Amino acid sequence: DAGVIQSPRHEVTEMGQEVTLRCKPISGHDYLFWYRQTMMRGLELLIYFNNNVPIDDSGMPEDRFSAKMPNASFSTLKIQPSEPRDSAVYFCASSFGQGKGGSYEQYFGPGTRLTVT
Amino acid sequence: GDSVTQMEGPVTLSEEAFLTINCTYTATGYPSLFWYVQYPGEGLQLLLKATKADDKGSNKGFEATYRKETTSFHLEKGSVQVSDSAVYFCALGSSNTGKLIFGQGTTLQVKP
Repeated sequence: DAGVIQSPRHEVTEMGQEVTLRCKPISGHDYLFWYRQTMMRGLELLIYFNNNVPIDDSGMPEDRFSAKMPNASFSTLKIQPSEPRDSAVYFCASSFGQGKGGSYEQYFGPGTRLTVT
Repeated sequence: GDSVTQMEGPVTLSEEAFLTINCTYTATGYPSLFWYVQYPGEGLQLLLKATKADDKGSNKGFEATYRKETTSFHLEKGSVQVSDSAVYFCALGSSNTGKLIFGQGTTLQVKP
């Protein structure tokens, strides 16, 4: 399996622009997670989906952030408008059967490094 | 709520030294426990896991034992290498929320 795929790997944009990050989970996985990692705040869970349905978006910092999962093999995280404080590495992760007696093991993508100037 | 506490880093060791990174947790129910490793510029990778009390997870010379009585899951390696330099995260699978709860991460630097 190719693992979790994220694109782009690096994104540099100007403040105010729209940014879209993409994720393809591992085939057969039914949970998908979006995380943000910064030096100041460490690793933060933004939102997660089960069977394409958002379950918990309490970590989404504000209305400028939105996430969708139109099908089992694709998800997007959008920031509109972007601000310099959104600069971070954004990770997507997927897992199978979490909460059903499973072990909650998640597989992470390589991340997207976002820089907003 | 559920939480994970790791020893603060950075931890600096010489090659072939013994490694311990402490991890303690607070949780309701019976969580699974994990150690993830993040090498520079990469995503997190699962290093090892344990799903019930007294289980020992092991991989690449690293070990950790799920201790329910002390609510701990300390990571150990008998002889570290320069290539083990990375950030190590302890995590628990929360039976309340279904999420992974991560510790703050511990940076390990191994010098030749």
